[in-house]
Amino acid sequence: NAGVTQTPKFQVLKTGQSMTLQCAQDMNHNSMYWYRQDPGMGLRLIYYSASEGTTDKGEVPNGYNVSRLNKREFSLRLESAAPSQTSVYFCAQRRDGSYEQYFGPGTRLTVT
Amino acid sequence: DQQVKQNSPSLSVQEGRISILNCDYTNSMFDYFLWYKKYPAEGPTFLISISSIKDKNEDGRFTVFLNKSAKHLSLHIVPSQPGDSAVYFCAAKRHNAGNNRKLIWGLGTSLAVNP
Repeated sequence: NAGVTQTPKFQVLKTGQSMTLQCAQDMNHNSMYWYRQDPGMGLRLIYYSASEGTTDKGEVPNGYNVSRLNKREFSLRLESAAPSQTSVYFCAQRRDGSYEQYFGPGTRLTVT
Repeated sequence: DQQVKQNSPSLSVQEGRISILNCDYTNSMFDYFLWYKKYPAEGPTFLISISSIKDKNEDGRFTVFLNKSAKHLSLHIVPSQPGDSAVYFCAAKRHNAGNNRKLIWGLGTSLAVNP
């Protein structure tokens, strides 16, 4: 997971609260991704960013917003958390010119 | 509709034996395939990949085989070690996926290697 950091590692929210998950890469690559992983569901793409200042929806974007203000950071925001957003969230970056994505250690979020 | 299918949720093998993890896909536009390994409480880590122009790629104990006509790929681990116990994900990239190069993921197979 070298090169991608995520904060926080764990978070518990009450329904309706908001929070931002932070992701940073130190590899100076263009593409970054946010996924969620739920039991039996594999990895599902929430949002991705092909370059600084651009973002696009993935498979499951509802209830989330993202921000890519610079090349290094890609944040995921939950404006009004719901129990269905209880999940493990992974940020990833893709090395320019390749197809492989490299993941951070994840944030385990529980919404009660 | 699951375009990348890992039909075995779990697999158990003895240490030293071969582990074979399977992956089937439905979209003939996929042209690049990847395997990832994931330990509990960690992010997935890239393991090995194969382009659709090849039928085999080898890296140490890990070999990926691709059968395009059957739309099937497999990951062989020889010999299996207890440290290989993890969840393995198969992923695919569609030809002309564009700038974002999104991956389509399978649901994973949990491998347990018993000492």
